[in-house]
Order: sequence, then structure tokens, then C-alpha cells
Amino acid sequence: GQNIDQPTEMTATEGAIVQINCTYQTSGFNGLFWYQQHAGEAPTFLSYNVLDGLEEKGRFSSFLSRSKGYSYLLLKELQMKDSASYLCAALDSNYQLIWGAGTKLIIKP
Amino acid sequence: NAGVTQTPKFRVLKTGQSMTLLCAQDMNHEYMYWYRQDPGMGLRLIHYSVGEGTTAKGEVPDGYNVSRLKKQNFLLGLESAAPSQTSVYFCASKESGPADTQYFGPGTRLTVL
Repeated sequence: GQNIDQPTEMTATEGAIVQINCTYQTSGFNGLFWYQQHAGEAPTFLSYNVLDGLEEKGRFSSFLSRSKGYSYLLLKELQMKDSASYLCAALDSNYQLIWGAGTKLIIKP
Repeated sequence: NAGVTQTPKFRVLKTGQSMTLLCAQDMNHEYMYWYRQDPGMGLRLIHYSVGEGTTAKGEVPDGYNVSRLKKQNFLLGLESAAPSQTSVYFCASKESGPADTQYFGPGTRLTVL
């Protein structure tokens, strides 16, 4: 079967760094997406990785290891507005997105 | 551009009632999707469309029907609502590239009593 695993909840301190991990098992693989979802709102796109390595975009970076079926999202200089759920989704062999349940990130002052 | 819009934002139904959720996008996207989101679970694909006049089943299609008569609109119908269909429904759209980003609407919160 197809499966995406990510932690249910994480807590971090304002100004710190946090890493949210995601492991995936899919039938075929065509890339991995990260989305941010604030409570009561729609998911919004953060990043897409298809090749191994780190992609940096401002305070957010995303890493992919295809051989390990693993990705992480790194958030630096955390701000209160980063409190949200972070959704990991893998693109399978049919180019359908398989979604994880999301990681709720709580930022404390 | 409004992006992706959904109507209504909230709705309460009684078991057995029917309703239609409307999704509209003004980005000229080819692909459109309907998902449901339940607590503790990932987004689950209900139905999708790869172009005007086409529809296909996703992971959880039972109890739902869809239509894509116009490119910009994607309708989701519930013929006979059940409490198990209580959920938040999201519509999304994207261009035609296989790895293009999906853009989501604000969601419809549906409660079936």
C-alpha cells in the first residue's frame, strides 16, 4: 500500500529552528510536496522536490532522499505566524498526490 | 484574480438530503480536484477532472458525483447525505503539467445530522 508518515505534533520556540520529517512509501515516485495549512484555511504550497538534496527558499528549506524515502522541512528563525499544520504529499506513479495527515506545529514565545 | 472559490462555506444537512458544492477557478487550469479532510487523516481524493467534460474517480468516490460542464467549474454532488460525509471539502486546481502545483479553495465545512 501507499503510506506517508509524519509526526502528529511538534512544539518549538520563537526564533529557533525546527525540522519536520516525512517518510513515504508509494507505488512509483515523481516528487514530494510540502504545504502549509493554517487552522480553518486552505493548504498553500511551500516546496516541491524531485531530485535528492536541499532546496532553500528564504526561511524554509526542504530536503529529499529518494533512496531512503525520506524528506524534511526545515524552518529557521521561527515566527508566531509559522504556527500551522505542515502537510507532506508524495506524487505517485500515476501523478496522484498521496497526502500525510499533517504535522501541527506549535510555536511558543 | 480570485483564484479558486467554493460555495457555500458552511452547510448543515439532515441525513438523506442532497446538495451540490460549487468550485470555480479563474486561472484557466485544466485539472480540478475534490478532496475531503477529516481529523487525523490526510487529504483524500474524491473525484478529479483532467479537462472540460471529463471526470474520474479518486480514492473515496462512493456517495458522491461530479460534473465538469465548463472548464472553470467543478461541481460535487451528494445525492443522499450520510453522517459519514461530515467533513471539510476542498477543491483544488492546477495546470496540465504532471508535477504542477495544486491551488486550493477556502473549503466547505459540511455537517450531516
